[in-house]
Amino acid sequence: DAGVTQSPTHLIKTRGQQVTLRCSPKSGHDTVSWYQQALGQGPQFIFQYYEEEERQRGNFPDRFSGHQFPNYSSELNVNALLLGDSALYLCASSLRLSGATEAFFGQGTRLTVV
Amino acid sequence: LAKTTQPISMDSYEGQEVNITCSHNNIATNDYITWYQQFPSQGPRFIIQGYKTKVTNEVASLFIPADRKSSTLSLPRVSLSDTAVYYCLVPQAGTALIFGKGTTLSVSS
Repeated sequence: DAGVTQSPTHLIKTRGQQVTLRCSPKSGHDTVSWYQQALGQGPQFIFQYYEEEERQRGNFPDRFSGHQFPNYSSELNVNALLLGDSALYLCASSLRLSGATEAFFGQGTRLTVV
Repeated sequence: LAKTTQPISMDSYEGQEVNITCSHNNIATNDYITWYQQFPSQGPRFIIQGYKTKVTNEVASLFIPADRKSSTLSLPRVSLSDTAVYYCLVPQAGTALIFGKGTTLSVSS
């Protein structure tokens, strides 16, 4: 059983460009959350998707957007990239209806903006 | 959402027991306490969760006093591979996990 998979693992983009990161949740999970983690900081919550809708959002500008597909996989899009967007982007999946709070994280995508 | 406070860093030597305490003064009646572990350049990993008294698994023990306003993660006989960041969270079902800075544990030989 595959856990949470993210692609790509590393990415280099130029300021002003747009980027799309992808996440496949753990089998059986229906909820996907995205996090941004800068060096030396804890993961910062970006947003959460459930039933193909954004259900909860952290304090991130609308340059950050996402999507969840019918198969529960998800994308994170970031427009007009800034140098400060360089970070490890983490995807976490969970099963909302179970009421459980345990989330499983992927290995992350390391985004570097130059 | 219960706010958590934990030490920024701790140092230990191999073979010692490490206890990391987290305070969560405004924990709600139905809230559980959860700990995650994160190695560099990896996603956080769930290690233990508890509601009251004591929970033990193959990785750690979690001690929660009767008032539940704090909890202590206990790592027995740490090794170099236990060097990581440890996060204490009080999550709510159906909502995203909110992380603080965590406790950076450094284990030396």
